[in-house]
Amino acid sequence: KAGVTQTPRYLIKTRGQQVTLSCSPISGHRSVSWYQQTPGQGLQFLFEYFSETQRNKGNFPGRFSGRQFSNSRSEMNVSTLELGDSALYLCASSPGQAMNTEAFFGQGTRLTVV
Amino acid sequence: DAKTTQPPSMDCAEGRAANLPCNHSTISGNEYVYWYRQIHSQGPQYIIHGLKNNETNEMASLIITEDRKSSTLILPHATLRDTAVYYCIVRGISSGSARQLTFGSGTQLTVLP
Repeated sequence: KAGVTQTPRYLIKTRGQQVTLSCSPISGHRSVSWYQQTPGQGLQFLFEYFSETQRNKGNFPGRFSGRQFSNSRSEMNVSTLELGDSALYLCASSPGQAMNTEAFFGQGTRLTVV
Repeated sequence: DAKTTQPPSMDCAEGRAANLPCNHSTISGNEYVYWYRQIHSQGPQYIIHGLKNNETNEMASLIITEDRKSSTLILPHATLRDTAVYYCIVRGISSGSARQLTFGSGTQLTVLP
């Protein structure tokens, strides 16, 4: 069974640009969550999607957005990039939303903003 | 929120059991204890989770105290590949984390040859 796939693995963007990251969950998984990891703030929750609807959102500005498609694939978008957006962006998929279901992470997309 | 407290770092000799402690004294009855690990620059890897009873899988064992205020993750025979940051996470409705994983600073486990 294929794992969580994130593309691209590495990305370099300039301040002010926007970026779209993609996540393909494990087959059959309907919940997709996004996390940001930086050396200073650690791993922080961005948002979660289930059945194409955003169900939960972390404390991030509106420049961070996402969506989920009918096949459960998800994208996240960051507009007007800032240097502080440089981070490892991680996607996790789960079969459902129950608290006792494990989430499986992809390898992440390393975004560098210059 | 149910917070967790973990030692920032631990060492373990290769081949020996690694016992990683976690304190979650404010945990509520409907909250689960999850363990993940992250090897440098990779995505976190799910290890195990439990509610009240001890749990074991092919990777590790999870021992939860009877009062549920603390737990221990046991890697029975640590190898060099187990060197990673280990995160203990409490997840549940009471802590507002039913739908997300709230990561702390974790424990850097270094397995020594």
